[in-house]
Amino acid sequence: GQNIDQPTEMTATEGAIVQINCTYQTSGFNGLFWYQQHAGEAPTFLSYNVLDGLEEKGRFSSFLSRSKGYSYLLLKELQMKDSASYLCAGRGGSIFGAGTRLFVKA
Amino acid sequence: DGGITQSPKYLFRKEGQNVTLSCEQNLNHDAMYWYRQDPGQGLRLIYYSQIVNDFQKGDIAEGYSVSREKKESFPLTVTSAQKNPTAFYLCASSPQGPDREGLAGVGDTQYFGPGTRLTVL
Repeated sequence: GQNIDQPTEMTATEGAIVQINCTYQTSGFNGLFWYQQHAGEAPTFLSYNVLDGLEEKGRFSSFLSRSKGYSYLLLKELQMKDSASYLCAGRGGSIFGAGTRLFVKA
Repeated sequence: DGGITQSPKYLFRKEGQNVTLSCEQNLNHDAMYWYRQDPGQGLRLIYYSQIVNDFQKGDIAEGYSVSREKKESFPLTVTSAQKNPTAFYLCASSPQGPDREGLAGVGDTQYFGPGTRLTVL
């Protein structure tokens, strides 16, 4: 089957580091994508992984373990503007997690 | 500027009426997608297309129809058969289509339009 699970909400403090987890059960895995969505707006692409390990892009990094069906998005030096929903998704869009709403507090 | 556009931004319709949402891209992307998003929920795939004159149903295609007569355009019609049409509709495109062998790549990155918020009165 194909299913993606993420925590519903998280809260973190400005300047801190937060890790948003994503677990998936999918046959024929071929890549995992992360998107950011501010309230009322369209999602924007952040990162993707196809091989095990960490992909770093500035303040954002994404990690993948294919054997464990597990990924996470790491956000460093949190800013207030990082308050948004973070969606993980398989390739092709047919599998989108419900998203994790991140609240960054001062 | 290249991008993907949707119109209108807000749309109101009376129950029982069909309505068509527009989606246009000038990114020269092969694949286009339609999603529905309900409040506090994730994205659910309605239809996608990987090439002109071809499209596939997603997870919630019932009550919707699409066409892909041009590479740049992928309009979505919400028919009266859709029981709960009030939602936020997002269109997206990607350079490559998803139904191919091998691992994903940068060509699978999806670019989203600004969305259309449909309300049925």
